[in-house]
Amino acid sequence: EAGVAQSPRYKIIEKRQSVAFWCNPISGHATLYWYQQILGQGPKLLIQFQNNGVVDDSQLPKDRFSAERLKGVDSTLKIQPAKLEDSAVYLCASSLAQHSGSTEAFFGQGTRLTVV
Amino acid sequence: GEDVEQSLFLSVREGDSSVINCTYTDSSSTYLYWYKQEPGAGLQLLTYIFSNMDMKQDQRLTVLLNKKDKHLSLRIADTQTGDSAIYFCAETSPGGGNKLTFGTGTQLKVEL
Repeated sequence: EAGVAQSPRYKIIEKRQSVAFWCNPISGHATLYWYQQILGQGPKLLIQFQNNGVVDDSQLPKDRFSAERLKGVDSTLKIQPAKLEDSAVYLCASSLAQHSGSTEAFFGQGTRLTVV
Repeated sequence: GEDVEQSLFLSVREGDSSVINCTYTDSSSTYLYWYKQEPGAGLQLLTYIFSNMDMKQDQRLTVLLNKKDKHLSLRIADTQTGDSAIYFCAETSPGGGNKLTFGTGTQLKVEL
């Protein structure tokens, strides 16, 4: 079974530029998550989708971050414009249903963003 | 709000047992998890425990949960160099929409 695919693996941009990350979840997984992991910290949820609807985006800085999952499969996360503090690893995860103990969330390898 | 805390570093010798500790604040937590993260890799679920359980054992891993003190621990028996990684505890709660709230991570270093 193929895992969660993310691209690119690495990205370096200048502040105020735009960037987009792509995630392809495991086939059949209805729930998709984007997490931000700043160096030395644990991942923090940015947004959660159930199919193509948003379940939780309370931690998403909506003035600069946006995400979509138009057909309920792939998802993109965009930052426009980027700030230095956005430097982090952006992790995508998916699960069969909304996460519960018996429903494992599978994580991709992440995209490491460096803003200079 | 939810808060999950862990000590930052742990160093053990190969063959010894490792114990990684975690405290959390959300008394309504339903599930508690341990994830492993190796350099450059995503997060791998190691094990989880339901909040009405005290202990769960899975091969070399033992999870202990003290719900009264809101304390979770992960014991790794016969620790190997391949166990060197960052270990995150995490929790989900009904009020949080079942999202994962992670701790800060404990870096485990296994020395020969």
